[in-house]
Amino acid sequence: EAQVTQNPRYLITVTGKKLTVTCSQNMNHEYMSWYRQDPGLGLRQIYYSMNVEVTDKGDVPEGYKVSRKEKRNFPLILESPSPNQTSLYFCASSANPPGYEQFFGPGTRLTVL
Amino acid sequence: AQSVTQLGSHVSVSEGALVLLRCNYSSSVPPYLFWYVQYPNQGLQLLLKYTTGATLVKGINGFEAEFKKSETSFHLTKPSAHMSDAAEYFCAVSALNNNDMRFGAGTRLTVKP
Repeated sequence: EAQVTQNPRYLITVTGKKLTVTCSQNMNHEYMSWYRQDPGLGLRQIYYSMNVEVTDKGDVPEGYKVSRKEKRNFPLILESPSPNQTSLYFCASSANPPGYEQFFGPGTRLTVL
Repeated sequence: AQSVTQLGSHVSVSEGALVLLRCNYSSSVPPYLFWYVQYPNQGLQLLLKYTTGATLVKGINGFEAEFKKSETSFHLTKPSAHMSDAAEYFCAVSALNNNDMRFGAGTRLTVKP
């Protein structure tokens, strides 16, 4: 089954404790992206990747890092999480932007205390 | 850069009534337009998209949208609402010269019995 998987689905952590949210897709997509969803703000792009070893900032990259060492994986790293990073995070992939459908993962709900 | 405005953060309709969710976009180049739906505790899934060609686009679950360049709009409609349509709906825009997709703030649709 074609899908985007994210782990963990739920995470509660404390300020400053480094964490990684994994994202993996099995559709051989070149393009992958991370979004955060906040009430009233819709989805805002954090980082995206056009292909292996090619990443770029989205609208809200501060406080996040990404890497793309393999085509299928695109982890999101929070080196020192802060409470304002409490949010719902989605990973997405597509064959090639911009006219193609993006496939979304189920989301990771992160709470930073 | 592109942007999207969704008019109305909440829309409530009765079962069987017309659904109309409004989306206006801003783009300096021909846009690609999308509607996504998000059911509770799930990721986003594509309802329909417009890239080129016919301006009236039909999607899943009986939804359709019409691209109106003169009005910079891409409103989503469904003739008869069903209880299962209750969800949050996001309009999104991208373009040929961009590597990202911009989402609106979302419209939560409630369907009353």
